[in-house]
Amino acid sequence: AQTVTQSQPEMSVQEAETVTLSCTYDTSESDYYLFWYKQPPSRQMILVIRQEAYKQQNATENRFSVNFQKAAKSFSLKISDSQLGDAAMYFCAYRSDYGGATNKLIFGTGTLLAVQP
Amino acid sequence: GAVVSQHPSWVICKSGTSVKIECRSLDFQATTMFWYRQFPKQSLMLMATSNEGSKATYEQGVEKDKFLINHASLTLSTLTVTSAHPEDSSFYICSARDTLGQGPTNEKLFFGSGTQLSVL
Repeated sequence: AQTVTQSQPEMSVQEAETVTLSCTYDTSESDYYLFWYKQPPSRQMILVIRQEAYKQQNATENRFSVNFQKAAKSFSLKISDSQLGDAAMYFCAYRSDYGGATNKLIFGTGTLLAVQP
Repeated sequence: GAVVSQHPSWVICKSGTSVKIECRSLDFQATTMFWYRQFPKQSLMLMATSNEGSKATYEQGVEKDKFLINHASLTLSTLTVTSAHPEDSSFYICSARDTLGQGPTNEKLFFGSGTQLSVL
């Protein structure tokens, strides 16, 4: 069974600085997707970034980028120029590419990010 | 963009009563929907996978007779918490998969805004 591990329960960053959130996962599959979701106090789940495992190039979305190391099964999220609105719980998630539409997301335990003004 | 509407946002009920939560995909068809449960400051735990026109698939340890799921149309799945008890108090979140993949982005899975259930 696949597992997702986030070893940082809480992180803090100064406004305008850069922070990196860690995520590791375990799988025997070769085709899968990895995600970072943001859950602000409203508790709405917001997709931050997505990475296809077959792509070697790291995904980027504006100030958000990932460092995907497939061999090491590592998927970290870098937030550049941190803003107060980035404060939230961040979840790393895994989804298999096998099984079609019923593939479920497997979430890590989350990292609570605080942004200091 | 793709929107998933979840209602109610919050509900308070007495112990022993049943509560129904609705999850609707507003602008896309969703053959598959997922129901998650989240305790305070914890992760999302998948409860069940809801499939249109067939029985839901429950995760290990989830009581299917207590958490009834109905997915009768391509845009609506409901979760009914039967005979609710205080330990069922939690935040419930649904997500829906865009079956036809006609959303504005490559990602086809979208989340509702969640339902906070409090059982007195």
